[in-house]
Amino acid sequence: QKEVEQDPGPLSVPEGAIVSLNCTYSNSAFQYFMWYRQYSRKGPELLMYTYSSGNKEDGRFTAQVDKSSKYISLFIRDSQPSDSATYLCAMRPGAGGTSYGKLTFGQGTILTVHP
Amino acid sequence: NAGVTQTPKFQVLKTGQSMTLQCAQDMNHNSMYWYRQDPGMGLRLIYYSASEGTTDKGEVPNGYNVSRLNKREFSLRLESAAPSQTSVYFCASSGGLVYEQYFGPGTRLTVT
Repeated sequence: QKEVEQDPGPLSVPEGAIVSLNCTYSNSAFQYFMWYRQYSRKGPELLMYTYSSGNKEDGRFTAQVDKSSKYISLFIRDSQPSDSATYLCAMRPGAGGTSYGKLTFGQGTILTVHP
Repeated sequence: NAGVTQTPKFQVLKTGQSMTLQCAQDMNHNSMYWYRQDPGMGLRLIYYSASEGTTDKGEVPNGYNVSRLNKREFSLRLESAAPSQTSVYFCASSGGLVYEQYFGPGTRLTVT
């Protein structure tokens, strides 16, 4: 079983819809939780990050972490065609130890927002 | 500021051939990484270098070698390419922020 599981989709929604993207994980040592966005034929780029549990909002994007359930989510409000991309969750343990600096990625969810 | 650059962008190899993928960053980052991305598998870490002069294996190191040539450059070598190494390869670097990695544009490799 993978340490991080993410539904690959694809997910297709109409413009203006609320999108929910999710990942589950098994490693309780994970402390940093990130969402990367990858446009077609490009490298991923950091969209948002959260440390430990809680919510974080940035414009139309909200990241949630529930460490008790080992579950993270990314919500996109008022989705736009420009949001069409692959969204990858990523996680890593806290500072120190041999895993420092290494990210573990989910499989990525392909999202299409159609006008 | 170019960020992370990778060469070549595309490559086709025959089974058994060797090649080196080049990566360079101009952000003065200490850490650099090589990933492969396959459909349905996400990004998998091949090797990483926490700082100049050090390298370590990631999740899928078999069939690859790396060299951290200096602080800027981190190369990935395939000694004897196999069809299973057909993939998109990404190089990344990170500096002081533990959660952010900057990725290059990728190299699309096909092994026939």
